[in-house]
Amino acid sequence: EVQLVESGGGLVQPGRSLRLSCAASGFTFDDYAMHWVRQAPGKGLEWVSGISWNSGSIGYADSVKGRFTISRDNAKNSLYLQMNSLRAEDTALYYCAKDMGHLHSSDRGFDYWGQGTLVTVSS
Amino acid sequence: QSVLTQPPSVSAAPGQKVTISCSGSSSNIGNNYVSWYQQLPGTAPKLLIYENNKRPSGIPDRFSGSKSGTSATLGITGLQTGDEADYYCGTWDSSLSAGIFGTGTKVTVL
Repeated sequence: EVQLVESGGGLVQPGRSLRLSCAASGFTFDDYAMHWVRQAPGKGLEWVSGISWNSGSIGYADSVKGRFTISRDNAKNSLYLQMNSLRAEDTALYYCAKDMGHLHSSDRGFDYWGQGTLVTVSS
Repeated sequence: QSVLTQPPSVSAAPGQKVTISCSGSSSNIGNNYVSWYQQLPGTAPKLLIYENNKRPSGIPDRFSGSKSGTSATLGITGLQTGDEADYYCGTWDSSLSAGIFGTGTKVTVL
């Protein structure tokens, strides 16, 4: 059974940093691209960042470029999101999602999602 | 700001059919596959359709997808109360070099 379990969310002040983690199991982690998708309270889905199977290609939404860094550790079956210079508008539920393809730019779809970890940016 | 436009809401009686449109451009839907997601209240999104019209294992054939040009459509037949949810289309945008989702559509079963 595929499982994606996010952690690391919480309440943080504007300008501070937070690191999210996603522990994956039930599939061959290093065969697939992975993504972070967020959803602000009462709003729609927003793609945040994606990373290819071997970390060879990475992409970010313009809204987080230069502030967030995605990474993965295939030996630990884990995905990460380092979030710096956090803003109030980064407040959202952050989902980890598995791609059906190898590349972060794959258009095949996200076939498994975690339950999300809530990040609240507020003073 | 999403570049894929969906109607905010659609509704129909139980047993009826609804369709949800997703309008994009040549840099996204026009040249990439479209996927569709169902998000039941308080839960994570779930993949319904991938590569325009394929259903993952376990998704009933009441759900169907199609694509024409720069638009895609999700169809739900035999509507059930359990289908009440938000539905999102998604794809890759080659100009933005980013993943994108539609604005979302709330399905209500009357």
